[in-house]
Amino acid sequence: DVKVTQSSRYLVKRTGEKVFLECVQDMDHENMFWYRQDPGLGLRLIYFSYDVKMKEKGDIPEGYSVSREKKERFSLILESASTNQTSMYLCASTAPGRLSGNTIYFGEGSWLTVV
Amino acid sequence: GESVGLHLPTLSVQEGDNSIINCAYSNSASDYFIWYKQESGKGPQFIIDIRSNMDKRQGQRVTVLLNKTVKHLSLQIAATQPGDSAVYFCAEYNAGNMLTFGGGTRLMVKP
Repeated sequence: DVKVTQSSRYLVKRTGEKVFLECVQDMDHENMFWYRQDPGLGLRLIYFSYDVKMKEKGDIPEGYSVSREKKERFSLILESASTNQTSMYLCASTAPGRLSGNTIYFGEGSWLTVV
Repeated sequence: GESVGLHLPTLSVQEGDNSIINCAYSNSASDYFIWYKQESGKGPQFIIDIRSNMDKRQGQRVTVLLNKTVKHLSLQIAATQPGDSAVYFCAEYNAGNMLTFGGGTRLMVKP
């Protein structure tokens, strides 16, 4: 059974803390994505990566960075967490080539609360 | 201050009735569309997709309709069941290789 695993499901962090959200996929996918999901706003792309050590900004990269040291792992970093980063964060992965809905795999989400 | 998201539209239907969930997309160059279902505490699950060279596509109990003239997409669920209760959202894909997601609609099924 293919999987995208987000190890931290629920986190509570203080303002100013550094936060790491980890995502691991076991499908040998090149492409990995980080989204945040807020009610009524849908999924908004933060960063994505098409290969190891490669990263590209999405639509809302401010306040975030990412790391892709290994193909299977894509980490989202909040250097200094703020309350407006309280959200649900979703990781996804796909193989390269033409996108197909049933070949995008999502993790189960990481709920982050910044107090 | 803390970010507050927008209100999530809600559709409430009786068990056994048909449900229609609508989505307006923005990019006339989008050529592929996907519907997702997201249950509470879980990641999105693929339901059905449609390419822009089609107007309609049917799956098991679900039908997607695409109206390119008005950039509108709908998901029809036949004989809605309690297990269909979830947030549903559409996504559009264009040649820029990116998916853009809609805000979502919460479907509540009354027994």
